[in-house]
Amino acid sequence: EVQLQESGPGLVKPSQSLSLTCSVTGYSITSSYRWNWIRKFPGNKLEWMGYINSAGSTNYNPSLKSRISITRDTSKNQFFLQVNSVTTEDTATYYCAREGPYGSYGNWGQGVMVTVSS
Amino acid sequence: DVQMTQSPSYLAASPGESVSISCKASKSISNNLAWYQEKPGKANKLLIHSGSTLQSGTPSRFSGSGSGTDFTLTIRSLEFEDFAVYYCQQYNEYPRTFGGGTKLELK
Repeated sequence: EVQLQESGPGLVKPSQSLSLTCSVTGYSITSSYRWNWIRKFPGNKLEWMGYINSAGSTNYNPSLKSRISITRDTSKNQFFLQVNSVTTEDTATYYCAREGPYGSYGNWGQGVMVTVSS
Repeated sequence: DVQMTQSPSYLAASPGESVSISCKASKSISNNLAWYQEKPGKANKLLIHSGSTLQSGTPSRFSGSGSGTDFTLTIRSLEFEDFAVYYCQQYNEYPRTFGGGTKLELK
C-alpha cells in the first residue's frame, strides 16, 4: 500500500524559503502517476500547488509559478517542495498527494503545518 | 480557473438521517469531479471520482451524482464515523481547484 509522509520545518521567517519533503513508501515515484503538493489555508481553502510526474516533468499553479519548485530524489523515493520569498500568506498545512489514473487524489499524506512568522 | 462553490458550509444532522452537499462549477467540467472526506489526524480520503464512481472501500451509503456544472454528494443513513469535512474537487483542467468544504456536525 502506498503511503506518503510530509516533513519539514514548522516555522519559517518571512522572505525566506520554505522547503518540504514527501517520503513515499510502497510505490516508486518513477513508475507512474503524478506526485502533487496541495495546501490548506486557515479557514479551510485548499489550493493545488503543482506536481512532478514519473518522468520528472513538472506543472505548477500559475498563481505560484514564479515562486515554487518541485524536485525529486529517485534514489530515496522522495519529492520536494520549495517556495521562495514566503510571506504570512503562505501559512498553511501542506500535503503531498498521489494523483491517480482518473485525475483525483487517491493517496494523501497527513499534512505538515507551516507557519510563516518572524 | 474553474471556481467550485460548495454548499452548505456547515450542516448539522443526526445518525440515521440522510444529507446532501452541493458543488457547483463555474463552467462545465463534464464528470471530472471528486469528493473527499477529511478527519482530524487522518489522511484525506477519496470517496468518489468521476462524479459518481465510488472509490474502492467507500461505503455504499455514499453516492455522487451530476455532470456539467452541478454535482451532489449524498450520504444515506448517517453513521457516527461520517461526521467530518467534505470537499469537492475538479480535475477537468489545470489548475485543479477545490470547493470550500462542508463541515458535517453532529446535531
